[in-house]
Amino acid sequence: DGGITQSPKYLFRKEGQNVTLSCEQNLNHDAMYWYRQDPGQGLRLIYYSQIVNDFQKGDIAEGYSVSREKKESFPLTVTSAQKNPTAFYLCASSENIYTEAFFGQGTRLTVV
Amino acid sequence: KNEVEQSPQNLTAQEGEFITINCSYSVGISALHWLQQHPGGGIVSLFMLSSGKKKHGRLIATINIQEKHSSLHITASHPRDSAVYICAVRLPDKLIFGTGTRLQVFP
Repeated sequence: DGGITQSPKYLFRKEGQNVTLSCEQNLNHDAMYWYRQDPGQGLRLIYYSQIVNDFQKGDIAEGYSVSREKKESFPLTVTSAQKNPTAFYLCASSENIYTEAFFGQGTRLTVV
Repeated sequence: KNEVEQSPQNLTAQEGEFITINCSYSVGISALHWLQQHPGGGIVSLFMLSSGKKKHGRLIATINIQEKHSSLHITASHPRDSAVYICAVRLPDKLIFGTGTRLQVFP
C-alpha cells in the first residue's frame, strides 16, 4: 500500500543525546515536511524539502537537522541543542508544496 | 491573535446529532484543509477546498473566501467520528494549522 511510514511510534531518550526520527514514503512525492505538535497548539513546521538534496527551515528549525539524500526518505535529527524536545512529531508529503499533504502516524518523543 | 481560529475547542454530542465545526482565518489563502486526528495521533486528510462545498459520505465542508470562514459538518454523527478535527490554511509555501476541535460522540 502507498503511504508514509514513521518509525518508531514511541521513542525515549536521555537528555543530551541526539535522536533521529525516520520518515519514508512510497507515494513518489517530491515534497516532504516535518511538523511538531504540542498540547494546545497547532502543528508547527520544522523543516521542509521540495526536492532531493534540498531543504528549507520552517518556523521552528532551531535544534533540529534534516537530510534528503533520497526522494523517499526525510529523516529528522533532534539534537541536544533543542531546548524542549519532548513532543509529537509528524511527517508529511505531497506531490509538490501546492498540493494536498498526506501524513504519517507520528512519533512521540520523550526526553528524560 | 492566531491566524487560524477554530471553534469550538471541545464538542460533545449524542449519536445521530448534526455536528458543525468552524474555522476562521485572517490571511490570504489558496486552499483550506480539514484533517482528522485519531487518539493514536495519525492524521488523515478529509478535504482540501478552495471554493464552495465538498461532500464525502456523512462529511460536508464549505468555504466562504470573502468571509474567510469554513465549516465542517458531520451528519448523523457516530461514536467512531470521535477525534480531533484540524483546519489548516495553505499559503504559497506552507500550511498554518488551527489548534483543533476535540469531538466526542456518545452512543
